[in-house]
Amino acid sequence: QSVLTQPPSVSGAPGQRVTISCTGSSSNIGAGCDVHWYQQFPGTAPKLLIYGNSNRPSGVPDRFSGSKSGTSASLAISGLQAEDEADYYCQSCDSSLSGSVFGGGTKLTVL
Amino acid sequence: EVQLVESGGGLVQPGGSLRLSCAASGFTFSSYWMSWVRQAPGKGLEWVANIKQDGSEYYVDSVKGRFTISRDNAKNSLHLQLNSLRAEDTAVYYCARRRGAVAGNNWFDSWGQGTLVTVSA
Repeated sequence: QSVLTQPPSVSGAPGQRVTISCTGSSSNIGAGCDVHWYQQFPGTAPKLLIYGNSNRPSGVPDRFSGSKSGTSASLAISGLQAEDEADYYCQSCDSSLSGSVFGGGTKLTVL
Repeated sequence: EVQLVESGGGLVQPGGSLRLSCAASGFTFSSYWMSWVRQAPGKGLEWVANIKQDGSEYYVDSVKGRFTISRDNAKNSLHLQLNSLRAEDTAVYYCARRRGAVAGNNWFDSWGQGTLVTVSA
């Protein structure tokens, strides 16, 4: 049982927009901690996708965007492409602020 | 280019020990917090431990007293000593660089390729 809750799977057709939710609590997201997102392909290491709720590292397409409100956050992917098919994880702080917690991950399928 | 290369994984019996290492290059290692994150087979990511530039350590509750994170800033290396291993510690262990200057607002911007630890009799 992960501290942050994500839907196990989402899907969309090429060109569509999908969103992945990440629900926390007053101990993490609701305490003012930022949310960060990672993309992971099978057999490879996670890659930072969004940091500080809505910031994209250099090289990440602007099709990826993030937002946060209250105790939840969302990752949106617009103009869905076949190569976006991967697992996506959200991450925030733990209640001590010295550690981190992750969501259980969401598998994105491009139909 | 930031590079993190883990080593030291393998098969170990329950109750056994293992020492993981991570060789860092491409950045000023001594200036960053570093972390270990693990992923059990077919499961999600789990933060394991952090170490500050000065060596201060932080752990997830499930590994406290069993795992020890350490760093050698002179050799640009990060380590994780795993003792009293259990079957549930079986996972790929990733070394990661932690970013963010404010406590509670930290993320992992660079990851190694991971090293597999299997705990089984």
